Amino acid sequence: DAKTTQPPSMDCAEGRAANLPCNHSTISGNEYVYWYRQIHSQGPQYIIHGLKNNETNEMASLIITEDRKSSTLILPHATLRDTAVYYCIVRGSGFQKLVFGTGTRLLVSP
Amino acid sequence: DAMVIQNPRYQVTQFGKPVTLSCSQTLNHNVMYWYQQKSSQAPKLLFHYYDKDFNNEADTPDNFQSRRPNTSFCFLDIRSPGLGDAAMYLCATSRGSGGDRYNEQFFGPGTRLTVL
Repeated sequence: DAKTTQPPSMDCAEGRAANLPCNHSTISGNEYVYWYRQIHSQGPQYIIHGLKNNETNEMASLIITEDRKSSTLILPHATLRDTAVYYCIVRGSGFQKLVFGTGTRLLVSP
Repeated sequence: DAMVIQNPRYQVTQFGKPVTLSCSQTLNHNVMYWYQQKSSQAPKLLFHYYDKDFNNEADTPDNFQSRRPNTSFCFLDIRSPGLGDAAMYLCATSRGSGGDRYNEQFFGPGTRLTVL
């Protein structure tokens, strides 16, 4: 079972920041928070992941709370092409499979 | 560009008629995965190969099997497809299996299977 809880859907205006929350209250000390997204009719795409510290890459920023029980994925300037289902996944080190939850369907509108 | 390729993108088969889906990768990754994604649901892992070692998920039906003849190719065989096996089948690869950045999974575009 997925260890994360996400809102089923969110809307965002094009050009504005999209902030996607994720709760993972049962996360353990060696588990990472991963974000993937799936654009319609495509395979999932890796976005970012983190353990404790905030992370930023060319696609997004990941803010993890100090107690690690929740996180927020930030798309700083959302575009129409960011419309997708965003999955927050908790995964340990060593081999642990990606368990996809229901995700958040983000709709970016003009 | 290095990538994960799945053929065909759309496959139609008849109830009970064996079908094979293929996946190839140019990333030279050690791990290859097969996921099943039914309509409006999240992807679900069926099995994976770490090099030649096959790892089946406990709840994957026996009807599903896989072959990996070499590093680049992996096949999903459905021995007797039922109507409930209609889904998108996603192939993914990763360098290794740990939790760090270098082991992110790269997904192919998927094969949509229809069972008549």
